[in-house]
Amino acid sequence: AQSVAQPEDQVNVAEGNPLTVKCTYSVSGNPYLFWYVQYPNRGLQFLLKYITGDNLVKGSYGFEAEFNKSQTSFHLKKPSALVSDSALYFCAVRDGGGSQGNLIFGKGTKLSVKP
Amino acid sequence: KAGVTQTPRYLIKTRGQQVTLSCSPISGHRSVSWYQQTPGQGLQFLFEYFSETQRNKGNFPGRFSGRQFSNSRSEMNVSTLELGDSALYLCASSLSAISSGNTIYFGEGSWLTVV
Repeated sequence: AQSVAQPEDQVNVAEGNPLTVKCTYSVSGNPYLFWYVQYPNRGLQFLLKYITGDNLVKGSYGFEAEFNKSQTSFHLKKPSALVSDSALYFCAVRDGGGSQGNLIFGKGTKLSVKP
Repeated sequence: KAGVTQTPRYLIKTRGQQVTLSCSPISGHRSVSWYQQTPGQGLQFLFEYFSETQRNKGNFPGRFSGRQFSNSRSEMNVSTLELGDSALYLCASSLSAISSGNTIYFGEGSWLTVV
């Protein structure tokens, strides 16, 4: 069975500082990994994904994530946080080895960036 | 290019009633999936449709159903509404099935309140 965990309910960062939002996963095959962001009362916006290839993936709004197979992690990072980055972030995983199977989402991490 | 469109955005229903939510995918996208988002349970997968066929179904009771039309538009229906069905219902579309690893793009959601 596939699963994904976001161990932190909330991350607090000062504006200008680097940020990391953690994600670990469990799948039986090769993972398809995604990050989405949700602003209040809105749908989810796609940030980036890892399917195959380079372990460092660059996405929208200056975000990037590093796929680490040995640690089964896909942490989201940004070198310099903005107040406007404050939102709810979701990591999602799908087992790439099967023809069925849906996308499983983590519980979400609330990012708060203070001026 | 227009994004995923969901209607209605907000609705209030009474226990025991039924509701139909509509989703128009991004032009050219053939896969539509539905998710329920609640504060307690997070994002939970309801079902996925591809080429008018249900490919995958989450762990929801039979009161939750859906369909997809030949133009890829999709509807989901919840019958005999319960208070616990109050949630944000999110529709997402992708070029092909989720199993392909294609990015899925979300709509703004339909807020359902059951009273």
